[in-house]
Formats: sequence, structure tokens, C-alpha cells
Amino acid sequence: GQNIDQPTEMTATEGAIVQINCTYQTSGFNGLFWYQQHAGEAPTFLSYNVLDGLEEKGRFSSFLSRSKGYSYLLLKELQMKDSASYLCAVRDKSGNTPLVFGKGTRLSVIA
Amino acid sequence: GAGVSQSPSNKVTEKGKDVELRCDPISGHTALYWYRQRLGQGLEFLIYFQGNSAPDKSGLPSDRFSAERTGESVSTLTIQRTQQEDSAVYLCASSFSDSTEAFFGQGTRLTVV
Repeated sequence: GQNIDQPTEMTATEGAIVQINCTYQTSGFNGLFWYQQHAGEAPTFLSYNVLDGLEEKGRFSSFLSRSKGYSYLLLKELQMKDSASYLCAVRDKSGNTPLVFGKGTRLSVIA
Repeated sequence: GAGVSQSPSNKVTEKGKDVELRCDPISGHTALYWYRQRLGQGLEFLIYFQGNSAPDKSGLPSDRFSAERTGESVSTLTIQRTQQEDSAVYLCASSFSDSTEAFFGQGTRLTVV
């Protein structure tokens, strides 16, 4: 089967750092994606990891450990506009369900 | 077009009616996905098209749901005899291949009354 777990909600303070974790169990693996989704809007792509390690892109970084089935998204210097849902998605190499999404983590940034 | 385009953006329909949702992917994208997102929930996979391969329909929740795609362009998702439980945002996404990020349309918000 396929299972992707993320915390449902998180709250963090403006200017701080927050780490959003994602664990996955899939029959295959061909990459992990993070998306950001503001309320009422479409998801937008943030990052992609296919090899172990850290990918940094400005204030956002994403980490992957394939052996542990684990990823995290790190947001630095939080801004109020970062309040959104963050979706972890895994591409199943078997191709049966090519992009499987977790339920998302709703992040609230407070002053 | 510049992005994935979906129409209509909003649809209100009476229970029992059929609806058709349209998705225009980014030009050249061979992969196309349909997802359903209920209020406050995650994305539920419905169907996946990749080039000329047989579509992956494993996520369709019932035989009332069907989807077609013309070549590598427009796709339509049809829901027959709509039920209130079908109320959700239906999102379409496309990508160059099954190894790159998917770009999403703005979705169609379907309300069944």
C-alpha cells in the first residue's frame, strides 16, 4: 500500500524557523515533492528530492532520507505570507499511482 | 497556454445531474492528473494519463466517474448522476513526464445541491 504522514497543523512565530516532517511508505520511489497551497488556491511547487540529502532554495530547504522513508521541509525567517498548507507528495516508481499526496500540514505564522 | 487552465471555475449543479469538467494542460506536457480535494482535506488521486499509454484509473471512486483525454491535449472529467458527496474542488495538473514536478490548474469548485 501507500501511506504518507504529516502533522495536521503547526504554529510558528514570524521570523522563526519551522520544520515540517513527512514520512512515507510506498511500493516504489521515484522522488519526493513539496507543494505550498494557500487557502482557496492551487498547490504550487516548492521542491523536489530524489537523492538523499538537503536541497536549499532561498528560505526553503528540503531534506530526504530514502532509507528512513523520511523528508522534511525547513522554512527559515518565517513571514506571515508563509501561512498555508504544505503538501508532501511521493512519486511511486511502479507508476500505479504516480503522485501520491499526504493530507498536508496547515502552518499558521503568528506575530 | 502559459499554465494549466480549468473550466468552469465554479459549478453548482442539482443532485442527479451530470457534469463535465475541462482541463487544458500546458502545451507539450505528456502527463496529466486529476485530483479531488474536499474542504480541509488533502488531494485524492483520481486518474492519470501519460502519453499514449492506457490511463491509470485506479483512483476513480465509482463508475459514475470517467475521464478522457484527446492525445496530449485537453482532458474532460465527467461525473454522472452527481451526489452531494461529490462536492469538492477538482484539480488538474500536468507535467513534461512522470519524473518532473506537476503544475496545477486553479481547479473547479463543484457544489452539488
